[in-house]
Amino acid sequence: DADVTQTPRNRITKTGKRIMLECSQTKGHDRMYWYRQDPGLGLRLIYYSFDVKDINKGEISDGYSVSRQAQAKFSLSLESAIPNQTALYFCATGDYNSYNEQFFGPGTRLTVL
Amino acid sequence: QQQVKQSPQSLIVQKGGISIINCAYENTAFDYFPWYQQFPGKGPALLIAIRPDVSEKKEGRFTISFNKSAKQFSLHIMDSQPGDSATYFCAASISGSARQLTFGSGTQLTVLP
Repeated sequence: DADVTQTPRNRITKTGKRIMLECSQTKGHDRMYWYRQDPGLGLRLIYYSFDVKDINKGEISDGYSVSRQAQAKFSLSLESAIPNQTALYFCATGDYNSYNEQFFGPGTRLTVL
Repeated sequence: QQQVKQSPQSLIVQKGGISIINCAYENTAFDYFPWYQQFPGKGPALLIAIRPDVSEKKEGRFTISFNKSAKQFSLHIMDSQPGDSATYFCAASISGSARQLTFGSGTQLTVLP
């Protein structure tokens, strides 16, 4: 089984809809991250969390919110989706002892029409 | 604000050739420089990383060269193989910070058979 799983893998939605992307991990890591990937822009950090009680904004948090329901679960919400949020979204985990290495899930391809 | 600039955007190399991808950074506080490899439909995965106390690190066919004074680092893939065809991202981070990785924009490498 994969260490970092994301659901759904693909989602098509309409402008204005609320969308939730979910991430689960079995690595036992304390740190979790959400990124979006756009062609030519690389990976940009949306939110990150060091534990259940710790949530931090990343570079591009506007229009997004997150919830850390448990150490192993970190979800990303788009309250009112807009077309420029069409992108590939990745969840990643990290551990204090693994220095800065991050372990990525397989990604969710989101299309907002 | 692109703190890590990566070039080229795409690269085509013949099998057996050398692939070279370059990155430049602005923030002199960065002290960890990883390269991530991403295959289609997968999340990025750590390939190799370097800290600025050394000028070169080699792992198999993959080498990072680091030039602290020029604030540049590069990935060299020797004897490139079709299986190396992927997108490569350079990144940088600061020790003791939130372990945030700042990624370059990515290079799509194609190795022709």
